[in-house]
Amino acid sequence: EVQLVESGGGLVQPGGSLRLSCTGYGFIFSSYWMSWARQAPGKGLEWVATINQDGSQRYYVDAVKGRVIISRDNAKNSLYLQMNSLGAEDTAVYYCGRDRSLFDPWGQGTLVTVSS
Amino acid sequence: SYELTQPPSVSVSPGQTASITCSGEKLGDRFTSWYQQKPGQSPVLVIYHHTKRPSGIPERFSGSNSGNTATLTISGTQAMDEADYYCQAWDSSTHVVFGGGTKLTVL
Repeated sequence: EVQLVESGGGLVQPGGSLRLSCTGYGFIFSSYWMSWARQAPGKGLEWVATINQDGSQRYYVDAVKGRVIISRDNAKNSLYLQMNSLGAEDTAVYYCGRDRSLFDPWGQGTLVTVSS
Repeated sequence: SYELTQPPSVSVSPGQTASITCSGEKLGDRFTSWYQQKPGQSPVLVIYHHTKRPSGIPERFSGSNSGNTATLTISGTQAMDEADYYCQAWDSSTHVVFGGGTKLTVL
Protein backbone atom coordinates (compact mmCIF):
# COMPACT_ATOMS: atom_id res chain seq x y z
CA GLU A 1 0.00 0.00 0.00
CA VAL A 2 1.26 3.43 -0.95
CA GLN A 3 1.50 5.57 2.17
CA LEU A 4 2.97 8.88 3.28
CA VAL A 5 3.64 9.68 6.93
CA GLU A 6 4.43 13.22 8.08
CA SER A 7 6.05 14.23 11.35
CA GLY A 8 7.77 17.16 13.00
CA GLY A 9 4.89 19.53 13.63
CA GLY A 10 4.32 21.30 16.92
CA LEU A 11 4.08 24.61 18.70
CA VAL A 12 6.71 27.19 17.77
CA GLN A 13 7.12 30.83 18.70
CA PRO A 14 6.88 33.58 16.09
CA GLY A 15 10.20 33.95 14.32
CA GLY A 16 11.16 30.38 15.12
CA SER A 17 12.04 27.43 12.92
CA LEU A 18 10.74 23.93 12.38
CA ARG A 19 11.67 21.00 10.16
CA LEU A 20 8.93 18.73 8.88
CA SER A 21 9.55 15.23 7.59
CA CYS A 22 7.59 12.91 5.33
CA THR A 23 8.44 9.25 4.75
CA GLY A 24 7.09 7.30 1.82
CA TYR A 25 6.17 3.62 1.84
CA GLY A 26 5.05 1.17 -0.81
CA PHE A 27 6.47 2.91 -3.88
CA ILE A 28 9.80 3.81 -5.44
CA PHE A 29 10.30 7.15 -3.69
CA SER A 30 13.22 8.22 -5.85
CA SER A 31 11.09 8.02 -9.02
CA TYR A 32 8.61 10.70 -8.03
CA TRP A 33 8.39 14.43 -7.73
CA MET A 34 7.19 15.25 -4.21
CA SER A 35 5.29 18.21 -2.81
CA TRP A 36 4.08 19.92 0.33
CA ALA A 37 0.71 21.61 0.79
CA ARG A 38 -0.94 23.17 3.84
CA GLN A 39 -4.35 23.97 5.23
CA ALA A 40 -4.90 26.69 7.79
CA PRO A 41 -7.60 25.98 10.39
CA GLY A 42 -11.02 26.19 8.73
CA LYS A 43 -9.49 27.27 5.42
CA GLY A 44 -8.75 25.76 2.04
CA LEU A 45 -5.72 23.99 0.63
CA GLU A 46 -2.57 25.87 -0.38
CA TRP A 47 0.37 24.46 -2.30
CA VAL A 48 3.69 25.20 -0.59
CA ALA A 49 6.58 23.60 -2.47
CA THR A 50 7.61 20.90 -4.95
CA ILE A 51 10.89 19.10 -5.60
CA ASN A 52 11.96 16.86 -8.46
CA GLN A 53 13.38 13.38 -8.19
CA ASP A 54 17.03 14.29 -7.60
CA GLY A 55 16.47 17.58 -5.81
CA SER A 56 17.84 19.72 -8.63
CA GLN A 57 14.53 21.55 -9.20
CA ARG A 58 12.61 23.23 -6.39
CA TYR A 59 9.57 25.47 -6.61
CA TYR A 60 7.81 27.51 -3.93
CA VAL A 61 4.65 29.52 -3.49
CA ASP A 62 5.46 33.22 -3.21
CA ALA A 63 4.26 33.36 0.42
CA VAL A 64 7.14 31.14 1.61
CA LYS A 65 9.97 32.01 -0.78
CA GLY A 66 13.15 32.84 1.11
CA ARG A 67 11.85 31.30 4.35
CA VAL A 68 11.29 27.68 3.41
CA ILE A 69 13.50 24.99 1.88
CA ILE A 70 12.22 21.73 0.47
CA SER A 71 14.68 18.85 0.30
CA ARG A 72 14.77 15.07 0.12
CA ASP A 73 16.89 12.05 0.99
CA ASN A 74 16.07 9.25 -1.41
CA ALA A 75 18.15 6.77 0.57
CA LYS A 76 15.76 7.30 3.46
CA ASN A 77 12.62 7.63 1.31
CA SER A 78 12.14 10.97 3.01
CA LEU A 79 11.01 14.46 2.12
CA TYR A 80 11.68 17.51 4.29
CA LEU A 81 10.43 21.06 4.73
CA GLN A 82 12.69 23.42 6.66
CA MET A 83 10.64 26.42 7.74
CA ASN A 84 12.25 29.57 9.14
CA SER A 85 11.02 32.98 10.33
CA LEU A 86 7.62 31.49 11.06
CA GLY A 87 4.62 33.73 11.54
CA ALA A 88 1.02 33.26 12.60
CA GLU A 89 0.07 32.96 8.94
CA ASP A 90 2.07 29.71 8.76
CA THR A 91 -0.20 27.99 11.29
CA ALA A 92 -1.68 25.04 9.40
CA VAL A 93 -1.79 21.32 8.90
CA TYR A 94 1.04 20.46 6.54
CA TYR A 95 0.60 17.58 4.12
CA CYS A 96 3.07 15.89 1.84
CA GLY A 97 1.92 14.48 -1.47
CA ARG A 98 3.34 12.33 -4.20
CA ASP A 99 3.83 13.81 -7.67
CA ARG A 100 3.76 17.41 -8.92
CA SER A 101 0.73 17.74 -11.17
CA LEU A 102 -1.51 16.10 -8.60
CA PHE A 103 -1.40 14.85 -5.01
CA ASP A 104 -1.95 11.13 -4.59
CA PRO A 105 -1.88 9.97 -1.93
CA TRP A 106 -1.89 12.56 0.84
CA GLY A 107 -0.33 11.89 4.22
CA GLN A 108 -2.26 12.30 7.45
CA GLY A 109 -0.80 15.75 7.97
CA THR A 110 1.19 17.34 10.76
CA LEU A 111 -0.03 20.43 12.63
CA VAL A 112 2.21 23.47 12.93
CA THR A 113 1.06 26.13 15.38
CA VAL A 114 2.89 29.44 15.51
CA SER A 115 2.06 31.25 18.73
CA SER A 116 3.71 32.89 21.70
CA SER B 1 -0.89 34.96 -9.98
CA TYR B 2 -3.18 32.27 -11.30
CA GLU B 3 -6.50 31.80 -9.53
CA LEU B 4 -9.23 29.17 -9.51
CA THR B 5 -12.78 30.06 -8.52
CA GLN B 6 -15.28 27.61 -7.03
CA PRO B 7 -18.76 28.24 -5.60
CA PRO B 8 -18.61 28.18 -1.79
CA SER B 9 -21.49 25.74 -1.51
CA VAL B 10 -23.64 23.37 -3.54
CA SER B 11 -26.71 21.50 -2.35
CA VAL B 12 -28.20 18.35 -3.84
CA SER B 13 -30.91 15.87 -2.96
CA PRO B 14 -29.97 12.21 -2.50
CA GLY B 15 -30.00 10.35 -5.80
CA GLN B 16 -29.73 13.52 -7.87
CA THR B 17 -26.75 14.84 -9.82
CA ALA B 18 -24.38 17.35 -8.25
CA SER B 19 -22.17 19.58 -10.37
CA ILE B 20 -19.31 21.60 -8.94
CA THR B 21 -17.54 24.08 -11.18
CA CYS B 22 -14.02 25.45 -11.16
CA SER B 23 -13.10 28.45 -13.29
CA GLY B 24 -9.75 29.81 -14.35
CA GLU B 25 -8.14 31.43 -17.35
CA LYS B 26 -7.44 28.81 -20.02
CA LEU B 27 -8.06 26.10 -17.45
CA GLY B 28 -8.51 23.59 -20.25
CA ASP B 29 -4.81 23.94 -21.07
CA ARG B 30 -3.76 22.76 -17.59
CA PHE B 31 -3.93 19.40 -15.90
CA THR B 32 -6.88 19.53 -13.50
CA SER B 33 -7.66 17.33 -10.52
CA TRP B 34 -10.40 17.15 -7.89
CA TYR B 35 -10.13 16.18 -4.23
CA GLN B 36 -12.72 15.18 -1.66
CA GLN B 37 -12.12 16.10 1.97
CA LYS B 38 -14.37 14.98 4.80
CA PRO B 39 -14.18 16.62 8.24
CA GLY B 40 -11.05 15.70 10.14
CA GLN B 41 -9.62 13.71 7.24
CA SER B 42 -6.94 14.23 4.61
CA PRO B 43 -8.01 15.01 1.06
CA VAL B 44 -8.55 12.14 -1.36
CA LEU B 45 -8.01 12.34 -5.12
CA VAL B 46 -11.26 11.61 -6.98
CA ILE B 47 -10.49 12.88 -10.51
CA TYR B 48 -7.16 13.61 -12.21
CA HIS B 49 -6.00 14.82 -15.61
CA HIS B 50 -9.44 16.30 -16.31
CA THR B 51 -11.43 13.07 -16.58
CA LYS B 52 -9.53 10.11 -15.12
CA ARG B 53 -10.78 8.31 -12.04
CA PRO B 54 -8.30 6.63 -9.65
CA SER B 55 -8.90 3.01 -8.74
CA GLY B 56 -11.33 2.68 -5.90
CA ILE B 57 -13.26 5.85 -6.71
CA PRO B 58 -16.91 5.09 -7.57
CA GLU B 59 -18.05 5.48 -11.16
CA ARG B 60 -20.57 8.12 -10.10
CA PHE B 61 -17.67 10.61 -9.97
CA SER B 62 -16.73 12.11 -13.32
CA GLY B 63 -14.89 15.16 -14.57
CA SER B 64 -14.85 17.42 -17.60
CA ASN B 65 -12.78 20.40 -18.65
CA SER B 66 -13.34 22.82 -21.49
CA GLY B 67 -12.18 26.33 -22.09
CA ASN B 68 -12.10 28.14 -18.77
CA THR B 69 -14.21 25.76 -16.70
CA ALA B 70 -13.73 22.33 -15.18
CA THR B 71 -16.68 20.47 -13.70
CA LEU B 72 -16.89 17.66 -11.18
CA THR B 73 -20.12 15.71 -11.57
CA ILE B 74 -21.46 13.28 -9.01
CA SER B 75 -24.30 11.18 -10.39
CA GLY B 76 -26.73 9.54 -8.02
CA THR B 77 -25.30 11.48 -5.09
CA GLN B 78 -25.21 9.63 -1.78
CA ALA B 79 -25.12 10.91 1.77
CA MET B 80 -21.52 9.70 2.04
CA ASP B 81 -20.54 12.16 -0.70
CA GLU B 82 -21.18 15.12 1.60
CA ALA B 83 -17.76 16.77 1.89
CA ASP B 84 -15.61 19.67 0.78
CA TYR B 85 -14.35 19.43 -2.78
CA TYR B 86 -11.28 21.20 -4.14
CA CYS B 87 -10.18 21.61 -7.71
CA GLN B 88 -6.50 21.88 -8.53
CA ALA B 89 -4.64 22.90 -11.66
CA TRP B 90 -1.05 22.41 -12.70
CA ASP B 91 1.24 23.61 -15.40
CA SER B 92 5.00 23.90 -15.61
CA SER B 93 5.06 27.65 -15.03
CA THR B 94 2.56 28.32 -12.24
CA HIS B 95 2.89 24.83 -10.73
CA VAL B 96 0.07 23.85 -8.34
CA VAL B 97 -2.94 26.04 -7.64
CA PHE B 98 -5.98 25.02 -5.57
CA GLY B 99 -9.46 26.41 -5.79
CA GLY B 100 -11.08 27.81 -2.66
CA GLY B 101 -13.21 24.72 -2.11
CA THR B 102 -16.91 23.89 -2.35
CA LYS B 103 -18.96 22.47 0.49
CA LEU B 104 -21.35 19.86 -0.90
CA THR B 105 -24.46 19.34 1.18
CA VAL B 106 -26.69 16.34 0.54
CA LEU B 107 -30.11 17.35 1.80
